[in-house]
Amino acid sequence: QLQLQESGPGLVKPSETLSLTCTVSGGSISSSDSYWGWIRQPPGKALEYIGTVFYSGSTYYSPSLRSRVAMSVDTSKNQFSLKVTSVSAADTAVYYCVRLLKVGRKFDRWGQGTLVTVSS
Amino acid sequence: SYVLTQPPSVSVAPGKTATITCGGDNIGSYSVHWFQRKPGQAPVLVMYDDSDRPSGIPERFSGSNSGDTATLTISRVEVGDEADYFCHVWDSSSDYVFGSGTKVTVL
Repeated sequence: QLQLQESGPGLVKPSETLSLTCTVSGGSISSSDSYWGWIRQPPGKALEYIGTVFYSGSTYYSPSLRSRVAMSVDTSKNQFSLKVTSVSAADTAVYYCVRLLKVGRKFDRWGQGTLVTVSS
Repeated sequence: SYVLTQPPSVSVAPGKTATITCGGDNIGSYSVHWFQRKPGQAPVLVMYDDSDRPSGIPERFSGSNSGDTATLTISRVEVGDEADYFCHVWDSSSDYVFGSGTKVTVL
């Protein structure tokens, strides 16, 4: 059973960089039928799609965050990562890593989510 | 941007049927997916492409989509079905869009 697990600091200072890693177990990240991505949910707000990365390293970012987001993949560790630069309180959210299947464009596997708080 | 609308909450007695709606402009032309989220657990896909169930999801879960409303139906509701349920679609202009979620309470 494929599982995803987020890891990273739970507290980040304003203007600094938020960094999270997702470890994939029970399957290979080097799959041609999947993308790997991030979704977040700020407290009291809707879920927001951040972007995806393919095992080759190609990426797609939501236009709303494109200028501050970078994703990467490490196939040797079966991990992928998210960086969000110049964070503010508006970036406080539960961050989920996900698998996006190409067929049907559905998020079929999720991590349990990790809360990241931006505060000094 | 494309918007999906869900009722904030649905209450249902054990053994009865819960109906969760997801409204959107001509949503019947989209493929709608649903996932279940319980506190402290990873969300789980419970329905995809309107009415297909992933393996391991009970037959009590069914889905439909037509016109401006997609529906997730849970028959013979169990206490373990208590959770938040979200719909989502992919829209060419808005990317991935999520409903606001419906909290299902089993009385």
